[in-house]
Amino acid sequence: ILNVEQSPQSLHVQEGDSTNFTCSFPSSNFYALHWYRWETAKSPEALFVMTLNGDEKKKGRISATLNTKEGYSYLYIKGSQPEDSATYLCAASTGGFKTIFGAGTRLFVKA
Amino acid sequence: EAGVTQFPSHSVIEKGQTVTLRCDPISGHDNLYWYRRVMGKEIKFLLHFVKESKQDESGMPNNRFLAERTGGTYSTLKVQPAELEDSGVYFCASSQLEGNYAFAEAFFGQGTRLTVV
Repeated sequence: ILNVEQSPQSLHVQEGDSTNFTCSFPSSNFYALHWYRWETAKSPEALFVMTLNGDEKKKGRISATLNTKEGYSYLYIKGSQPEDSATYLCAASTGGFKTIFGAGTRLFVKA
Repeated sequence: EAGVTQFPSHSVIEKGQTVTLRCDPISGHDNLYWYRRVMGKEIKFLLHFVKESKQDESGMPNNRFLAERTGGTYSTLKVQPAELEDSGVYFCASSQLEGNYAFAEAFFGQGTRLTVV
C-alpha cells in the first residue's frame, strides 16, 4: 500500500514570504511524483511531474525537488503572492496504474 | 481545445436512489481516471480506464459503484443504491497514453459534487 503524506496541513504566510512544503512517499516501487495546485471550486491543475532522483523543476516562482532514495519532494514558492493561495497536492504513481494523492497543504497568503 | 467536462456539477439525491455521473475526457486521451474526495479527506483513486478497458478498479469502494466507458470515449459512474457515505466530490481526469501512464500529465474536470440525504 502506498501512502503519501504532506506537511504541513496548512500554512499562513505574509505576501512576499518564501515558503516550502514537504511530500513524503515510500521509495520502493516508485515511478513518478506529481504536484498539483488546487484552487477552491476549480479542478486540480498540474504543476510538475518528476521521475528521477535529483530532479528539479521550476515554473515561475514555484520550484520542486525530488529525492527518490529517501522518498520526499519539496515544493518551494518564492515571494508568495495572494494569488498563490490554494491547496497544493502531491501524488505518487506506482507501476503506471495508480496515482495516490496526499491530503494536501493548504496555503493562505495574506496581503 | 475543450478540457475534461463532468456532468452534472451538483447532484442531491435521497438515500437509496440511483445517480449517474458522466465524464467527457479531452479528445484523444485514452487514459481516464475517476477519483473521489470525501469532505475533509484526501482525493482517493477509484479506477482507471485505458480506452474502454478497466486497467485498475481496486479503488472502487463496493459493488454499488459501476463505471463504464463504452467505445473508449466518455465514461459514466453509477451509484446504485446511493448511501449517505457516498457524498463527496467525484473527479474525473484524463491523460494521453504515452509509454508509462505514471508520467503523463493528467487534466482534471471540475468535479461533480454529490450529496446524499
